[in-house]
Amino acid sequence: KQEVTQIPAALSVPEGENLVLNCSFTDSAIYNLQWFRQDPGKGLTSLLLIQSSQREQTSGRLNASLDKSSGRSTLYIAASQPGDSATYLCASSGSARQLTFGSGTQLTVLP
Amino acid sequence: GAVVSQHPSRVICKSGTSVKIECRSLDFQATTMFWYRQFPKQSLMLMATSNEGSKATYEQGVEKDKFLINHASLTLSTLTVTSAHPEDSSFYICSARDPKNTEAFFGQGTRLTVV
Repeated sequence: KQEVTQIPAALSVPEGENLVLNCSFTDSAIYNLQWFRQDPGKGLTSLLLIQSSQREQTSGRLNASLDKSSGRSTLYIAASQPGDSATYLCASSGSARQLTFGSGTQLTVLP
Repeated sequence: GAVVSQHPSRVICKSGTSVKIECRSLDFQATTMFWYRQFPKQSLMLMATSNEGSKATYEQGVEKDKFLINHASLTLSTLTVTSAHPEDSSFYICSARDPKNTEAFFGQGTRLTVV
């Protein structure tokens, strides 16, 4: 059974810093990996999707990498802003297409 | 990206009553939708996979008679929490995949409070 772990559970940084969120998964036979953002009491917003054949994806200040062999993915946020404060979730997708989520990293960017 | 709409966003109901939550894919057809549950400060746990025109597949430990799922069309899945109890209070979120690129999109979530 796939297990997804995210470290750290919480992170607080001053505005302008670059930061990295980590995600690891136990079963490397994934279909794809997706990063989401969740604001308090809200649903999930998809940030980046990395197919199993890809190594990274970029969108604006966000860059996500995928290393299937080591079971790791990272989300890099450049020049962080207070508006980036949220919980970030990674999720792996198996052959049945349902997602297995990590427990999330709660990010606070201080002005 | 594709849009998944979930309704209602919040509902308060009395113990013993039933609540229906709707999940719609607005700009694509979804043969499969997923229902998740999220407790405070925790991640999302898959409850069931909703299949258009057939029975839903429930995860271990999820009571199918309590959480009724209907996926009658390619754009609508419903989750009905029957005979709700306070322990059913939670945040319920649905998801559907855009068949073009396999990306998963989520509804806004429904905060259910059973009093």
